[in-house]
Amino acid sequence: AQSVSQHNHHVILSEAASLELGCNYSYGGTVNLFWYVQYPGQHLQLLLKYFSGDPLVKGIKGFEAEFIKSKFSFNLRKPSVQWSDTAEYFCAVNANNAGNMLTFGGGTRLMVKP
Amino acid sequence: DAGITQSPRHKVTETGTPVTLRCHQTENHRYMYWYRQDPGHGLRLIHYSYGVKDTDKGEVSDGYSVSRSKTEDFLLTLESATSSQTSVYFCAITRGADQPQHFGDGTRLSIL
Repeated sequence: AQSVSQHNHHVILSEAASLELGCNYSYGGTVNLFWYVQYPGQHLQLLLKYFSGDPLVKGIKGFEAEFIKSKFSFNLRKPSVQWSDTAEYFCAVNANNAGNMLTFGGGTRLMVKP
Repeated sequence: DAGITQSPRHKVTETGTPVTLRCHQTENHRYMYWYRQDPGHGLRLIHYSYGVKDTDKGEVSDGYSVSRSKTEDFLLTLESATSSQTSVYFCAITRGADQPQHFGDGTRLSIL
């Protein structure tokens, strides 16, 4: 079965700092990759997705992620975080042999200090 | 936002009672999912549906059943609730595997 690991459970940054959140998955075949964000008290919202093509994917709110197939990684980055980026971030993977099912990582809780 | 409504939004009940959560969509999407969210575990798939009366188990299906009699409604039932089922439950929908899933606002369920 596929699995998704997010190694950073809690991250605290000051405003304007750069952000990189790690995501690694275990499946060796073709995958679709996603990052979702959950602001306090809200539902999950899609930040960005990768299906194929350019491995550097740009999403909303200045976020981007890079798919590195050889490392089974899909790390999320943002050059300069804002206080409003305080949220929990989830990486998710859909393997091509898993139908439409997503496997989520455990989440990374980001706190940005003003 | 995608047209997904979960009801109830909050519920407190006692161990051993039956509980049904409802997910209603207005998008006419084929696929619907129920997840539970627990600290440190992210979201884990309970059951999903790929069409009316077509459902299958997810990663953590024990103690849960589902039904989908109409495209727009996907019901999750806890036949006899246990304290381990205290969680936040999210419904999601999608048109297909090449599309992202869209999530409802969640149901916070507490079982005492």
